[in-house]
Amino acid sequence: GAVVSQHPSRVICKSGTSVKIECRSLDFQATTMFWYRQFPKQSLMLMATSNEGSKATYEQGVEKDKFLINHASLTLSTLTVTSAHPEDSSFYICSAGGEGSNQPQHFGDGTRLSIL
Amino acid sequence: GDSVTQMEGPVTLSEEAFLTINCTYTATGYPSLFWYVQYPGEGLQLLLKATKADDKGSNKGFEATYRKETTSFHLEKGSVQVSDSAVYFCALSGGGGSNYKLTFGKGTLLTVNP
Repeated sequence: GAVVSQHPSRVICKSGTSVKIECRSLDFQATTMFWYRQFPKQSLMLMATSNEGSKATYEQGVEKDKFLINHASLTLSTLTVTSAHPEDSSFYICSAGGEGSNQPQHFGDGTRLSIL
Repeated sequence: GDSVTQMEGPVTLSEEAFLTINCTYTATGYPSLFWYVQYPGEGLQLLLKATKADDKGSNKGFEATYRKETTSFHLEKGSVQVSDSAVYFCALSGGGGSNYKLTFGKGTLLTVNP
C-alpha cells in the first residue's frame, strides 16, 4: 500500500489563487521530505528539501516566496503555490524517506495543478 | 556534481520482447542506485535498487546490476508485458552531495504493444 499520501491529486483554479498541496508519510516518521516539479515528458526537478521543524532548503532558481513549504510535523509537509499563474501549471510530486543514501525515497501520486 | 544518463526513448516493443534500458552515472562518492517507474498520471514507484558494487536488484522480472567499473546500472527484463508500459527513471543518491537527494536521469518512455 501507499506509504506517502499526496492530496489533492488534481487542482484547477483561477490565476491569482493560492493552492496548498499536502504530503503525508503514512507508515513512518519523515524528518526530511522533498518536493519535485515535473514538466510534460521531462524528468523530475527537485524544488526544495523540507526539513521538519526548520526552514526548507530551496534549489537554485526556485522562488522561496512563491513556493512556501511548511514541515510542521514528522508526517506532514505542505507546499503552497502562492498567487499562482498559468506558468505554475505543472505536476508536483512529493517524496519522503531515503534517510540514508541506501534507503529509497517513497513518492506520492502527484498533484496536477492547472491554472487558468 | 552527480549526474545520470539514460537512453533516450521512446522505446516501443512487442509483448514478450527483451528489454534493455541503459543507464550510466557520474558520482564523486559511492552512490546507491535505483530504478523508479512512473505509470501515466501517477507518482513514482521504486522498482529496484542496489547499494554496492556487483549487487543485483530485481523485482517483477526486472533486473539491474551495479557495475562500478563501467559506472552503469542497466535495466533488463526478459519478456515484457503490455502492463510494463510506463516511464522508467534511473537515479542515484549519496554520490557526493547530500546523502538524501536523488539525482534522476531524464526518463525513458516504454510502450509495449500486444
